[in-house]
Amino acid sequence: NAGVTQTPKFRILKIGQSMTLQCTQDMNHNYMYWYRQDPGMGLKLIYYSVGAGITDKGEVPNGYNVSRSTTEDFPLRLELAAPSQTSVYFCASSYSGTGGDEKLFFGSGTQLSVL
Amino acid sequence: SQKIEQNSEALNIQEGKTATLTCNYTNYSPAYLQWYRQDPGRGPVFLLLIRENEKEKRKERLKVTFDTTLKQSLFHITASQPADSATYLCALVRGYSTLTFGKGTMLLVSP
Repeated sequence: NAGVTQTPKFRILKIGQSMTLQCTQDMNHNYMYWYRQDPGMGLKLIYYSVGAGITDKGEVPNGYNVSRSTTEDFPLRLELAAPSQTSVYFCASSYSGTGGDEKLFFGSGTQLSVL
Repeated sequence: SQKIEQNSEALNIQEGKTATLTCNYTNYSPAYLQWYRQDPGRGPVFLLLIRENEKEKRKERLKVTFDTTLKQSLFHITASQPADSATYLCALVRGYSTLTFGKGTMLLVSP
């Protein structure tokens, strides 16, 4: 199994450009998440999804959009890139269960620079 | 507001010693707490989960404690090795099933 796959690994954008960060998982997980990680800071939740067709905002959703048309894919869209969006982006997934055993499986990240 | 605090200073220890990392939290009543390892340029990897009714959890050389009265978790690595050098993150449940992460503590194990 590949687990959680993110593309691209690196990207440089100009201010105002748009792009989509791709994320796919092959573990049949219902829950998927997007986090960003700035140097010296913790992971901040951007958006998450509890299943196909259902998405919800996390702590820092401004400037981003998501969609979840299939169980496997959860792309993150930046519409008008700003320097404040320079960060490392991680996609994660988890098995949807009750009782709280929600360990996350992370992708290897996308390093994005907005100049 | 809810906070998760981990020591921001790197922990330097010698090979063979026990490393102890601390995670303190405020304004949470978590049902469980998780620990992850993150290597440079990689995504976090799940290590251990401990539930509120468990005082201690062990996995090989790893041990986690969870004190809901002190609002603190301790993460121990016994007989540490240079390969254990990484950043260790603690995470708590926020909402139904999303996790909030601490900033992490870097561990450096020297030979």
